[in-house]
Amino acid sequence: SSELTQDPAVSVALGQTVRITCQGDSLRTYYANWYQQKPGQAPVLVIYGKNNRPSGIPDRLSGSSSGNTASLTITGAQAEDEAAYYCSSRDSSGNRWVFGGGTKLTVL
Amino acid sequence: QVQLQESGPGLVKPSETLSLTCAVSGGFISHYSWSWIRQPPGKGLEWIGYIYNTGSTNYNPSLRSRVAMSVDTSKNQFSLKLSSVIAADTAVYYCAREILYGGISFFDHWGQGTLVAVS
Repeated sequence: SSELTQDPAVSVALGQTVRITCQGDSLRTYYANWYQQKPGQAPVLVIYGKNNRPSGIPDRLSGSSSGNTASLTITGAQAEDEAAYYCSSRDSSGNRWVFGGGTKLTVL
Repeated sequence: QVQLQESGPGLVKPSETLSLTCAVSGGFISHYSWSWIRQPPGKGLEWIGYIYNTGSTNYNPSLRSRVAMSVDTSKNQFSLKLSSVIAADTAVYYCAREILYGGISFFDHWGQGTLVAVS
């Protein structure tokens, strides 16, 4: 079982805003990183740390954190945002990595 | 641009050892941590472990008894061995680079992944 908990699936209407959440005790100590994965492709980093985007990631994706919950928000969702999103952080010991179970985002 | 490429057999028999190599190009293997991550068909990501360029390792406790990683800095590559495989080890195996930037660690580069079936 994953030490980071995500909703399995979320949907959003085109152009609307959606929040994907990730819960876990380790998030009280470590920031979550977020990865986007489209079918048949490797994961791609979209948010790291508090709210940092790698080059090439649109600014409609943003991250936030409070207590044991990290969130990825997509403001004005586009069709190309349809994908699975995984949160990840160090575990509470800091010695290993853990991933959430993933959230499948559908853009309607 | 850093690129990672996994290679190895796509089919392994139960009880045998899965062996994969990740070749790193466009950058040196030194000064970074290198991880293996797997994804069973239709399921989520599972971190297997990482190795530093010095050879120091850290493994997922759930797999620790069966995992061994090594690094070959002369060839700019690192490897994974998973012993006594079972059907549940069937997955796409990714190699990834972990970077520390601004005090934050994350996986910034991933290989394309290679499917290994145990059968």
